[in-house]
Amino acid sequence: SQKIEQNSEALNIQEGKTATLTCNYTNYSPAYLQWYRQDPGRGPVFLLLIRENEKEKRKERLKVTFDTTLKQSLFHITASQPADSATYLCALVIGSGGSYIPTFGRGTSLIVHP
Amino acid sequence: AAGVIQSPRHLIKEKRETATLKCYPIPRHDTVYWYQQGPGQDPQFLISFYEKMQSDKGSIPDRFSAQQFSDYHSELNMSSLELGDSALYFCASRRVDFRSEQFFGPGTRLTVL
Repeated sequence: SQKIEQNSEALNIQEGKTATLTCNYTNYSPAYLQWYRQDPGRGPVFLLLIRENEKEKRKERLKVTFDTTLKQSLFHITASQPADSATYLCALVIGSGGSYIPTFGRGTSLIVHP
Repeated sequence: AAGVIQSPRHLIKEKRETATLKCYPIPRHDTVYWYQQGPGQDPQFLISFYEKMQSDKGSIPDRFSAQQFSDYHSELNMSSLELGDSALYFCASRRVDFRSEQFFGPGTRLTVL
């Protein structure tokens, strides 16, 4: 079965710096990979999706890269702000069509210090 | 914009009791998913419905059942509750022919005493 690894230790950075979070997976390459933000006690919020044939995706201060050879995705937040502090989940979707079940990692907690 | 609605937001039950969680997807979304998230854990997929039919099944215990109704709302029925069922239960909805993005509800926090 698919295994997803995200850093279990919290990432502490200073405001204004770039935060980089890592998502590694084993076994099959997903059709696409998603990143979500989750605040304590709340539902995950979709941020970005990147497909297997894409290397990089950007949205405002967010950037996601996808390396199917390394089986890794990197999630970057530039010019980070304390409001970016949250847990960031990586989710993989194998295949497409009728079956669409994202498999989530446990997430990495990001803490941005003012 | 309308979001996914879940009720109740908090629920406290005793062991061996039953619980029913409700989910109202975003209008025109045709797919509903249920997830269970324990403390510090990743969301675990339980079950999903597409156009009122069960489409995929994950790690849903036999004590749990779910269905999607004609108005597309979904209910997760949980019986013989155990202490280990205490968790956040999320519902997510998606429109299959639009984007591959799931929209999550605020969750129901179930506590089993």
